[in-house]
Amino acid sequence: EVQLVESGGGLVQPGGSLRLSCTASGSSFSSFYMTWVRQAPGKGLEWVANINGDGSEKNYVDSVTGRFTISRDNAKNSVYLQINTLRAEDTAVYYCARARGPNLWGQGALVTVSS
Amino acid sequence: DIQMTQSPSSLSASVGDRVTITCRASQHISNYLAWFQQEPGKAPKSLIFDASSLQSGVPSKFSGSGSGTDFSLTISSLQPEDFATYYCQQYYSYPFTFGPGTKVDIK
Repeated sequence: EVQLVESGGGLVQPGGSLRLSCTASGSSFSSFYMTWVRQAPGKGLEWVANINGDGSEKNYVDSVTGRFTISRDNAKNSVYLQINTLRAEDTAVYYCARARGPNLWGQGALVTVSS
Repeated sequence: DIQMTQSPSSLSASVGDRVTITCRASQHISNYLAWFQQEPGKAPKSLIFDASSLQSGVPSKFSGSGSGTDFSLTISSLQPEDFATYYCQQYYSYPFTFGPGTKVDIK
């Protein structure tokens, strides 16, 4: 059974940086777009970014453009989200998901931005 | 950006009820619409893709319909495990966007 496992969350001070990782089990990882979605405490889902199979296409929501960078390493079946200049409003659970209209989700990684 | 709205925002229903949730896009999205279920404290679960196709392993009591701007998710016979929040998402145009969610709870 294919699974997605996120890691790298934690408590970060405003202005700090963090890199989230998501590793997939199973094969065909490079065939899929990979997506990051976040959910602030008590709020709904927010699409953040995605990346195509070979990493040549990256898309972001406006609110994170210039601060967040999505990347992938198909040899490691992994996708990453580099988050810079963290703000309080970036506090959320960050989920990685497979495909454009996601068909598989990870368990989530909590990022808390606070001094 | 394409705005997604859902109605109702919440509903109360009984076990065995047939429930329908609607989702509307602010502009045409063809059938690039997915539905997700999320229980409290858990990751979302994918239910429907391409507006009406059931994800593998999802029971047939869930069905989706619609095209263009108006869509719906129907649960044919509500069971205790179906009480959750449901989200729609368009993947027609970037940035992809989610609806605000519909919370289904027990009457």
